[in-house]
This record gives sequence, structure tokens and C-alpha cells, in this order.
Amino acid sequence: GQQVMQIPQYQHVQEGEDFTTYCNSSTTLSNIQWYKQRPGGHPVFLIQLVKSGEVKKQKRLTFQFGEAKKNSSLHITATQTTDVGTYFCAGFTGGGNKLTFGTGTQLKVEL
Amino acid sequence: DVKVTQSSRYLVKRTGEKVFLECVQDMDHENMFWYRQDPGLGLRLIYFSYDVKMKEKGDIPEGYSVSREKKERFSLILESASTNQTSMYLCASSPRASWGEQYFGPGTRLTVT
Repeated sequence: GQQVMQIPQYQHVQEGEDFTTYCNSSTTLSNIQWYKQRPGGHPVFLIQLVKSGEVKKQKRLTFQFGEAKKNSSLHITATQTTDVGTYFCAGFTGGGNKLTFGTGTQLKVEL
Repeated sequence: DVKVTQSSRYLVKRTGEKVFLECVQDMDHENMFWYRQDPGLGLRLIYFSYDVKMKEKGDIPEGYSVSREKKERFSLILESASTNQTSMYLCASSPRASWGEQYFGPGTRLTVT
């Protein structure tokens, strides 16, 4: 079945440092979504990417969808303590209606 | 504002008990989903429903069943709870099946002893 892996599993950074999480799928995705889950909370949708090579920005967050539509990345510039949480990618395969989530990257930001 | 609610935040059950987890959404969404979340494994889809009385198996349906008698309500049933079903259970809904945002409930932390 489809697998979506994320690396790293954990990342500790100092406030102000950059952070990147990578998402890799075993199959081609029709679109990819990113979610953030704060400690003790539930996943909250951040963004959806659809086109090959697409890049979208939300303030300090930059999302990329790979050319082959099998990988994606989320980059946070100058992390803040409010960025703490677990970031999940999730993708649909072509024609499929099941969203497969990645394994998640837990980000901790230290002052 | 979309709201997805789950019947309990924390639940403790004994092995062999029948367990019902309820989920209600208030945005008239066609699609509803049940996931379980375990450390290092992300969210795994148990079952989903794209219409009343319709259901489809997700990636890990074994040991679970579901019921959707009304559009706004989606129930997850553990017929005979086992310790390996101790987990966080998350319900979600979305207006479209293979596109767009899923809205999650707060989750139910189930412990089976």
C-alpha cells in the first residue's frame, strides 16, 4: 500500500534557527496537504499543493511540491516558540479518496 | 466555523468490552473519517464514509466497525476491545472526498486495560 515517510522524526532548534521537514511518498500524489498539531491538540490544516513544482508561502512557512509529485517539504524561517508542534504531510493518490498521512515531524523550539 | 465534536476526551475500558466512540459535525459535510494516532506512526485511517449508510475500509479496519445513520454523526465501534487498541482516536470531516481540508475533532484518548 501507499506509504508516506517524513524526516526527521524529531527536531530541536534554538529560537531564530530555520527548520525543514521532508515528506516522501512511495507513489505519485494528486495533491499534498500539510497539517500542524500543537501539543495536546488536534491536526489543523495549513495548506494544499496541487501542481508539480508548486511553491507556496505563508509568512515564515514555505511549502514545496516536488516535480515528480512524490515528495514535498515545509521550511520555517526563523523559528518561534509558537511553531512548536508536530507537522504532518498527507497525500491523495490519483483517483483515490483516502488521505494517507506521513509519520510526522515533532518540532521543539528552545529559547 | 466548522465544528467536529467527539463524545469523550478520555476513556478507560476493560479488555473484551464493547466500545462506542461518537463523532458529530455541524457543517453538513458528506465525508467523515476515523483515524488512530500512535507515536511514530502518524495518523492511520480506520474507516471512512462518503454518505449516510455508506462506509469504506481504510488501512487498518481490523477489530473495528462503523455506523453512519445520520449525515452529521459517525460512530466507531470496537466490538471487543483489546490492549493493542489503546490509542488516540481522531474523527474528521470534509466537504469533498479527495480534495481539500479535513476538519478534526479534539480526539478521544482510549486506554484498554
